[in-house]
Amino acid sequence: DGGITQSPKYLFRKEGQNVTLSCEQNLNHDAMYWYRQDPGQGLRLIYYSQIVNDFQKGDIAEGYSVSREKKESFPLTVTSAQKNPTAFYLCASTSGRHPFYEQYFGPGTRLTVT
Amino acid sequence: GNSVTQMEGPVTLSEEAFLTINCTYTATGYPSLFWYVQYPGEGLQLLLKATKADDKGSNKGFEATYRKETTSFHLEKGSVQVSDSAVYFCALIFTSYGGSQGNLIFGKGTKLSVKP
Repeated sequence: DGGITQSPKYLFRKEGQNVTLSCEQNLNHDAMYWYRQDPGQGLRLIYYSQIVNDFQKGDIAEGYSVSREKKESFPLTVTSAQKNPTAFYLCASTSGRHPFYEQYFGPGTRLTVT
Repeated sequence: GNSVTQMEGPVTLSEEAFLTINCTYTATGYPSLFWYVQYPGEGLQLLLKATKADDKGSNKGFEATYRKETTSFHLEKGSVQVSDSAVYFCALIFTSYGGSQGNLIFGKGTKLSVKP
């Protein structure tokens, strides 16, 4: 089955530690995205990548970093510089073909930092 | 700038009631419009879409019509079920024929609870 996997589903970290969230897709999609979801805030774009070895900042990139060394993988690192990292993180991908750019979402990782 | 505004929830309905979730957008051009659904503890799934004015998207009994004159894309269902309880997100995206990809802009989501 094709899809997007995110692991782990729940992640707990101590304040001051960096943590990396995994996102893998086997849909052969070019573009991948990371979103943050907070209660009542909808989804906010953190980073996106349209092609391997290239990525761009989204609306709330501060305190986060990404890499895109392989087409299938787009890991997100939440650094200690992120002031409020506790949130639900969603990864998505799209083939980017016109006329509509449907994004497929993974199941999410809930990160709790104490 | 471009934005999406949804009615605030939560919305609580009895089974078999009629559902409307309002969505309006502000955009400088002619975006494609989407409704996504998020069931508890899960990621988002595309529910329906419309790519041009007057298009009607439909899926699983849900419908939404792209109204350019009112910049709206309201979600409707004639008879909701308990299994429809979820958070619904309206979203838009701009696309170009040049191959570049736009980014989705989401509303804040509307939580729907359906009681038996």
